Amino acid sequence: EVQLVESGGGLVQSGGSLRLSCAASGFTFTNYDMHWVRQATGKGLEWVSAIGTAGNTFYPDSVKGRFTISREIDKNSLYLQMNSLRAEDTAMYYCARVVWDLRTFDLWGQGTMVTVSS
Amino acid sequence: QSALTQPASVSGSPGQSITISCTGTSSDVGAYNYVSWYRQHPGKAPKLMIYGVSNRPSGVSSRFSGSKSGNTASLTISGLQAEDEADYYCGSFASSSPGWVFGGGTKLTVL
Repeated sequence: EVQLVESGGGLVQSGGSLRLSCAASGFTFTNYDMHWVRQATGKGLEWVSAIGTAGNTFYPDSVKGRFTISREIDKNSLYLQMNSLRAEDTAMYYCARVVWDLRTFDLWGQGTMVTVSS
Repeated sequence: QSALTQPASVSGSPGQSITISCTGTSSDVGAYNYVSWYRQHPGKAPKLMIYGVSNRPSGVSSRFSGSKSGNTASLTISGLQAEDEADYYCGSFASSSPGWVFGGGTKLTVL
């Protein structure tokens, strides 16, 4: 079955760190760009990070310097290392697959919740 | 505040058609034909409904259609059904970084 399964969310204090994981299965992991997208409760979607098939990474200014995206090909896994967490980082974090030629998110995981307490 | 602007809510009766707008800028919606639409039921992950402005993925009903004019994209759902009740988000590739931007979401209520 083609799927993405996130894990690693939880409650952390402001200034702390957390590492999210995303396990991919059912497709050739190396053929796709992979992203993290977050959604605060009752709010819209916000793009958080991307890693291309060549390992190049991209971030919006809101997380640049604090978050690091990486992938482990042998384990078909995607990661998001989050440091210096703030209350505004509280959200559901989704792992998503992107078809680069279409610039679209065609597969999403079920998400993992991150709560940052101040 | 989201980068793309959507109406907070729309509603329609079963069988009717509704349209949701998504307004961006010349750096995202207006610059590329890379607008997508996602449906999200409560407590669930988003699901791709439209990509490349007007293309439907395999398995998505032909009742869903998309279009774009200038900096504004639109999603039209015809023949409304109860199962269509959900939140809908637009998204677009943007020239900054590069990066991706999304709308704030539109809650569709089927009356």
